[in-house]
Amino acid sequence: EVQLVQSGAEVKKPGESLKISCKGSGYSFSTYWIAWVRQVPGKGLEWMGIIYPSDSDTRYSPSFQGQVTISADKSINTAYLQWSSLKASDTAMYYCARLSDYGDFGDYWGQGTLVTVSS
Amino acid sequence: DIVMTQSPDSLAVSLGERATINCKSSQSVLYSSNNKNYLTWYQQKPGQPPKLLIYWASTRESGVPDRFSGSESGTDFTLTISSLQAEDVAVYYCQQYHSSPYTFGQGTKLEIK
Repeated sequence: EVQLVQSGAEVKKPGESLKISCKGSGYSFSTYWIAWVRQVPGKGLEWMGIIYPSDSDTRYSPSFQGQVTISADKSINTAYLQWSSLKASDTAMYYCARLSDYGDFGDYWGQGTLVTVSS
Repeated sequence: DIVMTQSPDSLAVSLGERATINCKSSQSVLYSSNNKNYLTWYQQKPGQPPKLLIYWASTRESGVPDRFSGSESGTDFTLTISSLQAEDVAVYYCQQYHSSPYTFGQGTKLEIK
């Protein structure tokens, strides 16, 4: 069974750093792209970027380029999303998703990680 | 960026009745090489991640009930639920995966009348 399990909710202060994770199982993790998607509370979905764990080829949406870093460690089947200096506007639910064999859309999704940034 | 516009923003339908959600792309999401529209539909229930329903605009994902169907006409796309069930209450999103950055519609909230 394909599963993506994300790390738990985080509460941080503005300016702090953070790295959240997404661990895949039940499939060949290295050979499927992983996407990160943001959802601000009560709002819609935003595509942040994708990574191919096999070679760490990473592509960012222009809106998120320079704001976050996407990485992966294929040895432990885990993808990451990190911030060096959080802002209150980073408060959101963050989902990882495995991209389908048929195109750049998510066929399996993690349960989400809620990040709250507040002073 | 390709802008995806859904209509309506919210919809209330009686149980057993048909629900129709529309999505319009600001430019074509059709690849002429394979004649496929790079458009997908997701369902998101409260407190849950999105769930894939439809890809290639009209191909139902495995395990999705056949009351869900997708159709296309140029840059206009439609998700139809033929006979609304209580468990279909959710927010529905379209997404284009033709051109990066891949973009979503704003969502349509479906409720029971």
